[in-house]
Amino acid sequence: QSALTQPASVSGSPGQSITISCTGTNSDIGSYDFVSWFQQHPGKAPKFIMYEVSYRPSGVSDRFSGSKSGNTASLTISGLQTDDEADYYCSSYSTGDTVVFGGGTKVTVL
Amino acid sequence: QVLLVQSGADVEKPGASVKLSCKTSGDTFASYFIHWVRQGPGQGLEWLGIIDPNDGTTTYAQKFQGRVTMTGDTSTKTVYMELNSLRSDDTAVYYCARGSGWIGTRVDYWGQGTLVTVSS
Repeated sequence: QSALTQPASVSGSPGQSITISCTGTNSDIGSYDFVSWFQQHPGKAPKFIMYEVSYRPSGVSDRFSGSKSGNTASLTISGLQTDDEADYYCSSYSTGDTVVFGGGTKVTVL
Repeated sequence: QVLLVQSGADVEKPGASVKLSCKTSGDTFASYFIHWVRQGPGQGLEWLGIIDPNDGTTTYAQKFQGRVTMTGDTSTKTVYMELNSLRSDDTAVYYCARGSGWIGTRVDYWGQGTLVTVSS
């Protein structure tokens, strides 16, 4: 159960779009559409912002979108805002009824 | 409103055990799964396991097999996570979180977290 691979950091200017990748294996992302994304501000609990690859929970801005291709899932934030500056984590269901998280990506709004 | 209220911060010595609680509200205990996830200082999220409080069925991450036990108390709608043989690298904030959807894969609501410090 190795962690999913995310870039350590991604940055963008206000109004721009950024994409965070999350790479797994055929035991998780490649075989299942149970990929979720979480946003975490410093000192806070993670917040659920995407599930089953591309579905947004109620109340989450439509500036967040998700996709998947092969063993890699992606989260795109469009119209970047200062409040989007946070850590982002992906997770996936994995064979054996387990869950695996990514290492996290720090998003900086320049 | 979905609430998961966790127990307070804890300090333990290496080799000891810690048992954390997560009190649920509404129909969470009877109808959903509970995940336990931890986050070491300055580190990412790490999944420990999941319990179906309704029947006590558990699945643990391979890394914690034999060292973690998750249980539930129907009378108080509280879920517990016990971690044994603590080491310094178990120092972390431990979260419980609700799992909904297919076998609880949708981790939608999180507790406030419990800081566990392992130090001699």
